[in-house]
Amino acid sequence: DAKTTQPPSMDCAEGRAANLPCNHSTISGNEYVYWYRQIHSQGPQYIIHGLKNNETNEMASLIITEDRKSSTLILPHATLRDTAVYYCIVRVVNQGGKLIFGQGTELSVKP
Amino acid sequence: DGGITQSPKYLFRKEGQNVTLSCEQNLNHDAMYWYRQDPGQGLRLIYYSQIVNDFQKGDIAEGYSVSREKKESFPLTVTSAQKNPTAFYLCASSSRGTRGPTDTQYFGPGTRLTVL
Repeated sequence: DAKTTQPPSMDCAEGRAANLPCNHSTISGNEYVYWYRQIHSQGPQYIIHGLKNNETNEMASLIITEDRKSSTLILPHATLRDTAVYYCIVRVVNQGGKLIFGQGTELSVKP
Repeated sequence: DGGITQSPKYLFRKEGQNVTLSCEQNLNHDAMYWYRQDPGQGLRLIYYSQIVNDFQKGDIAEGYSVSREKKESFPLTVTSAQKNPTAFYLCASSSRGTRGPTDTQYFGPGTRLTVL
């Protein structure tokens, strides 16, 4: 199963863009990259996913490199409520499409 | 409201007792999942079910059991055989399971189990 590598923690100023990197160098051609976030003691919240192309929704943008070995989640205008642990996940196609969680990046948005 | 409910939010049990965690969804999803999370760690898959009356072991199924008698319900039993049961348990569901790698999983609020 493909693994992901993320920095353990990052800080971001409120109102600025938060750019969260993720390495997934062993990703297979049919595996998607998913991003979730988890606020302490709550269930993970889905943010966005992608395969090859860049994606954008109301929460964030996902930039995937051409070789698919890394990606960046962008929160365009971070707020204090965006403080959470962000997980970059490679979605496998077997075992029910399970999500393989790493340790994530703890993002702290500061005033 | 549509969503996934887990009850109770906090659960305490004595060592050696079996305990069942509830997970209900009204999203009409076919697939349901159970994950376990330990402090400072990511989630690990315990069991999953893609359809009623069928379920499969995940990565850490030992000491756990499940049933899927109804589409909307997927209870997890933590048995006395589970050596380290204290953890945060999360239930998730998705509409199609393996038939769609873009099939998003949505999570419930979790149950924090403490075994004394």
